[in-house]
Amino acid sequence: ELKVEQNPLFLSMQEGKNYTIYCNYSTTSDRLYWYRQDPGKSLESLFVLLSNGAVKQEGRLMASLDTKARLSTLHITAAVHDLSATYFCAVRGINSGGSNYKLTFGKGTLLTVNP
Amino acid sequence: SQTIHQWPATLVQPVGSPLSLECTVEGTSNPNLYWYRQAAGRGLQLLFYSVGIGQISSEVPQNLSASRPQDRQFILSSKKLLLSDSGFYLCAWNGRKGSGANVLTFGAGSRLTVL
Repeated sequence: ELKVEQNPLFLSMQEGKNYTIYCNYSTTSDRLYWYRQDPGKSLESLFVLLSNGAVKQEGRLMASLDTKARLSTLHITAAVHDLSATYFCAVRGINSGGSNYKLTFGKGTLLTVNP
Repeated sequence: SQTIHQWPATLVQPVGSPLSLECTVEGTSNPNLYWYRQAAGRGLQLLFYSVGIGQISSEVPQNLSASRPQDRQFILSSKKLLLSDSGFYLCAWNGRKGSGANVLTFGAGSRLTVL
C-alpha cells in the first residue's frame, strides 16, 4: 500500500524567510504532484514532477523530485503572506495503470506566513 | 479550454436523507473522472473513479455510490446519509493522452454537512 508522508504538518514562517516542505512516499512512483489549497477552496495544481531529478520553479516556489530516495521537496524562498495556504503532495503509484490516476495524498502542510 | 463544474456548492442535509452531487466536464471527451472526499482537517481520500460511461470503480466501502450516465457527467449519490458522510467532496478529471493526461484537475467542490 502506497503511503505518503508530509512534514511538517504545520509551518509558521516570517515574511522574507526560506523554508522547505518534505514529502516522502513508500513505494515506487512514476509521478508526483504538488497542490495548493486556500481555506474553503478546491485544490490548485502547482507542479507535476515526472522524472528523477526533475526541478520546477514558479515564483517563490520550487519543487524537486528524487525518485531513488522517494522524496520530493517544496522550497519556499523569501516567503510572502500570499503564500499562506495548505500544500499537498500526491503520488501516483507505479501500478496504477495507464488509464487512471489514483493519487494518494499526504495530509497537507498548513503554511502561515506572518508579517 | 476545459472546465469542470460541480453543484451544489453547499448542502445541509438531515441524517437519513438522500444525496446527489453532480459533476460535469466541458471541452474534452472521454475523460477519466474521480470523486474525492476531504474530511475536516484531513487529507483527500479517493472514493470512486471512472474510465468510461457506466464504468465505476469503488476504492472504499461506504454509504455512497457513483454513476456515469454520460461521457462527461459524474454523479455521487447516497440513499440515506450518515453523520460521517459530512465533508468536502471534490470531483476531478484528467485526459487520456498527451499533456492533459499528466494533470489531475479539481472542481470547486461541494461542501456537505449532515445534521
